[in-house]
Amino acid sequence: DQQVKQNSPSLSVQEGRISILNCDYTNSMFDYFLWYKKYPAEGPTFLISISSIKDKNEDGRFTVFLNKSAKHLSLHIVPSQPGDSAVYFCAASRKYNFNKFYFGSGTKLNVKP
Amino acid sequence: EAQVTQNPRYLITVTGKKLTVTCSQNMNHEYMSWYRQDPGLGLRQIYYSMNVEVTDKGDVPEGYKVSRKEKRNFPLILESPSPNQTSLYFCASSKPSRGTYEQYFGPGTRLTVT
Repeated sequence: DQQVKQNSPSLSVQEGRISILNCDYTNSMFDYFLWYKKYPAEGPTFLISISSIKDKNEDGRFTVFLNKSAKHLSLHIVPSQPGDSAVYFCAASRKYNFNKFYFGSGTKLNVKP
Repeated sequence: EAQVTQNPRYLITVTGKKLTVTCSQNMNHEYMSWYRQDPGLGLRQIYYSMNVEVTDKGDVPEGYKVSRKEKRNFPLILESPSPNQTSLYFCASSKPSRGTYEQYFGPGTRLTVT
């Protein structure tokens, strides 16, 4: 059973608007979360991360929010750009065991010009 | 240029024929890992290595072997491939820095077992 879930396989957004990608997890021991972006025929690239001691982390147009009580995190992209069109994976890791990572199934974001 | 390289990028083989997918990184990273990506399942960890001669199982290790004789290389070995190992494989490496554990991924190896 997947411990990290991305329930939306795809998302379409107009350029300039906000993109919100969601991720849920079931293991309460997870305390470090990452988002990766993947273009076709390439490996995933790291985007942003958050530790469970925080509920928000920003990096330019990208913000990740963590709601520990709901076991939910989200990635906000503002404003969205056509170059953001890619598959986004969230991943989680357990405290003191940063060797094993659990990934969601990905959300394909399409930003329309 | 800092990178993770994988070879081959594409491979078609037959059931039972042993194969090795190589992975090499030039960033002096201690940690390396192998993943497979399948539709609807995302990336699943096969094996990982904390350093030379230190390896451990991920979530889906059955049917795979790894070795870590040198820091830069982490080959994935399929002793007797089967059709259910048809997948897209990624190698990754990382070095914990300032409490982050971001991984650098290779470009992927698409394997088809017939």
